[in-house]
Amino acid sequence: GAVVSQHPSWVICKSGTSVKIECRSLDFQATTMFWYRQFPKQSLMLMATSNEGSKATYEQGVEKDKFLINHASLTLSTLTVTSAHPEDSSFYICSARTGTANYGYTFGSGTRLTVV
Amino acid sequence: DAKTTQPPSMDCAEGRAANLPCNHSTISGNEYVYWYRQIHSQGPQYIIHGLKNNETNEMASLIITEDRKSSTLILPHATLRDTAVYYCIVKPGSARQLTFGSGTQLTVLP
Repeated sequence: GAVVSQHPSWVICKSGTSVKIECRSLDFQATTMFWYRQFPKQSLMLMATSNEGSKATYEQGVEKDKFLINHASLTLSTLTVTSAHPEDSSFYICSARTGTANYGYTFGSGTRLTVV
Repeated sequence: DAKTTQPPSMDCAEGRAANLPCNHSTISGNEYVYWYRQIHSQGPQYIIHGLKNNETNEMASLIITEDRKSSTLILPHATLRDTAVYYCIVKPGSARQLTFGSGTQLTVLP
């Protein structure tokens, strides 16, 4: 089945630094990937839609200059949290649409970001 | 997009069937019902989806009422590993993304 690999699985960084999270589709091409954020005991909230070869589409309230998304190839999308602060600590999850009838959407395993 | 209503939590005995309900009374004709689950600190996992017919796969069965206003996900023989948050999602065919609600925390008890 379709696999989305997300890396790193967890990261701790200092306030003010930037962190990059990678999301790769391993056995299929993904023209569109989705980035979600999940705070403890809450549901997944869509942050942005990543489009291969073009600019990402951000949801209302998500700062595009803070959460930089790059989707330079059909198998890789990256999310960079710039100038991270403790309130950015969260679980970040990427997803890709596989285009198959049975699965539709496959999710990465998530990245736990802790900003200290 | 149609909204979904799920009970916040349910318990189920190991080995018994788990029946998870979902109300989607404002669903439109072109909207699919998807079920995903999320085990603690992992990404969501696809379970099943359907439009109007009942569906079954190796993981679960999806029963959609004739008026499509509600559905039930059935895990036929729940195991401890099925403990997770289960999300019922209604998605229009034209929408690109999945929008998650609050889900149901299913706890399978030994």
